[in-house]
Amino acid sequence: ELKVEQNPLFLSMQEGKNYTIYCNYSTTSDRLYWYRQDPGKSLESLFVLLSNGAVKQEGRLMASLDTKARLSTLHITAAVHDLSATYFCAVDKNGNKLVFGAGTILRVKS
Amino acid sequence: EPEVTQTPSHQVTQMGQEVILRCVPISNHLYFYWYRQILGQKVEFLVSFYNNEISEKSEIFDDQFSVERPDGSNFTLKIRSTKLEDSAMYFCASNGGSSYNEQFFGPGTRLTVL
Repeated sequence: ELKVEQNPLFLSMQEGKNYTIYCNYSTTSDRLYWYRQDPGKSLESLFVLLSNGAVKQEGRLMASLDTKARLSTLHITAAVHDLSATYFCAVDKNGNKLVFGAGTILRVKS
Repeated sequence: EPEVTQTPSHQVTQMGQEVILRCVPISNHLYFYWYRQILGQKVEFLVSFYNNEISEKSEIFDDQFSVERPDGSNFTLKIRSTKLEDSAMYFCASNGGSSYNEQFFGPGTRLTVL
């Protein structure tokens, strides 16, 4: 059974600081996704990572994928308050479903 | 930009009642999904649907649940006899079948079972 683990589950950080969220998964998969969720809202797609070594950047967020280590990271650079949200990684098991991590609640304090 | 829509945004029902949650996927998409998220918890897969049949379903998706694509645009989730523990946010998603297999999520329906 595919398991997806994220850490940390809660992250409180100061504006301007850098930090990394980690996503480990238990079985082979070539597709990993990062989503953002604001309170009471839907899931917004941030990144689609399709292959080993994939790196994608959008603004202050950068995601990478290491399929051999079964690890993805979401790196936050110089955090700003607007980045406060819950971030989920999800792994595509077989094209039929996404298996989500527990989510990381990010709070950026000024 | 095309998007997945869901109705209603909030549904309140009594335990034991039937509810139907409606979704309109992105128009040229072929793969459809339902997920749920209990308040404060992670998103859980319920069911995937392709070519007018279920592709995969989770343990949560028991006999009380059913899905249907009654016409060319709607995709529905029916819960036959709701329980208190069915209270959650239900998200519909669709996928165009490209190599990205990216799923696009609707805004969700918050179901409250009293």
